[in-house]
Amino acid sequence: KAGVTQTPRYLIKTRGQQVTLSCSPISGHRSVSWYQQTPGQGLQFLFEYFSETQRNKGNFPGRFSGRQFSNSRSEMNVSTLELGDSALYLCASAGSYNSPLHFGNGTRLTVT
Amino acid sequence: GESVGLHLPTLSVQEGDNSIINCAYSNSASDYFIWYKQESGKGPQFIIDIRSNMDKRQGQRVTVLLNKTVKHLSLQIAATQPGDSAVYFCAEPLPNTGNQFYFGTGTSLTVIP
Repeated sequence: KAGVTQTPRYLIKTRGQQVTLSCSPISGHRSVSWYQQTPGQGLQFLFEYFSETQRNKGNFPGRFSGRQFSNSRSEMNVSTLELGDSALYLCASAGSYNSPLHFGNGTRLTVT
Repeated sequence: GESVGLHLPTLSVQEGDNSIINCAYSNSASDYFIWYKQESGKGPQFIIDIRSNMDKRQGQRVTVLLNKTVKHLSLQIAATQPGDSAVYFCAEPLPNTGNQFYFGTGTSLTVIP
């Protein structure tokens, strides 16, 4: 079974731009979550989608948004990029409630 | 509030020795815990999980111990190998939120050959 796939692996953007990251979950997994990882803050929850609906949202500004498609693939978007948005963005899928998250290798976003 | 924390940010062990990584949590109602391993340049990888109706669970070279009395979780790695060098996180789901997890700050394990 293929794992969680995230594209692209690396991105360099300029302040003020916007970016879209993509995630393909493990086949059959309907829950997709996004996390931001930085050296200072660790892994911070962004949001979770289940069956195309946002089920939970973390404490991030409205510039961070996401969506999930009918095939469970998900995208997250960050608008008006700031330097502090530089981070590793991780996508994870899960097969059911209270079950392990399976992570992709992330998208490394650098904002200059 | 709910939180997970690690006692030590770094740990160095000699190859072949056993490693113990600790984690504390504050929500006594937590009923599920997961340990992850993250190698450089990769996403966190699931190692082992445990539910609150258990005190101990064993995997391949790893054992997780859960002490609900003191709200403490530990990961034991037997016969540590260089490939075990990574950052280890414990994680705990936020109650009634589906799959939203809190992650500890992580312990960086270095195995000395």
